Amino acid sequence: EAEVAQSPRYKITEKSQAVAFWCDPISGHATLYWYRQILGQGPELLVQFQDESVVDDSQLPKDRFSAERLKGVDSTLKIQPAELGDSAMYLCASSSGTGEADTQYFGPGTRLTVL
Amino acid sequence: GQNIDQPTEMTATEGAIVQINCTYQTSGFNGLFWYQQHAGEAPTFLSYNVLDGLEEKGRFSSFLSRSKGYSYLLLKELQMKDSASYLCAVLDSNYQLIWGAGTKLIIKP
Repeated sequence: EAEVAQSPRYKITEKSQAVAFWCDPISGHATLYWYRQILGQGPELLVQFQDESVVDDSQLPKDRFSAERLKGVDSTLKIQPAELGDSAMYLCASSSGTGEADTQYFGPGTRLTVL
Repeated sequence: GQNIDQPTEMTATEGAIVQINCTYQTSGFNGLFWYQQHAGEAPTFLSYNVLDGLEEKGRFSSFLSRSKGYSYLLLKELQMKDSASYLCAVLDSNYQLIWGAGTKLIIKP
């Protein structure tokens, strides 16, 4: 069964350092999402791509966060500099992009701890 | 504003039935999703409802009433592995997913 891949699974960094997360969506999925999830809360959308274009990045803290999907396949989310409040689970999801009510399928996530 | 309400935590007994409720107030409605999330893992898709009524899928069923802004997830013959958080999410008029905070379900033997 096709899955969304993410790496690393865990990342520990010190504040002010740079971190990067990678996501490879299910093959053929045009839409890719990056979410942040704090323990005990639902996922919060950071950025949504349709192919290589950003559809929604209204909740992305653009002073420190950046995301790209240059060839419309895999994607990278970067934080620079990391802050203590960035400690969370970062989830990547993908959907086929063929319909507006597509089901989103999630990768295993990256657990970020900022010290 | 947009809001989704779910109970924070529920407890049930192995082999029993449990119903997890979700009420929503969103700008438009284009469907409702239920996801299961085990601790430390990613959410996995359970069900999607866009029309009123009950959708059954094995031990899990999901119900929707659009007029009441209400859904529930029904889990039958509970197993220990069903201990997880259950997330309700609504597609609003812009086809953006609005997520609830999730209900932590604890199963006791």
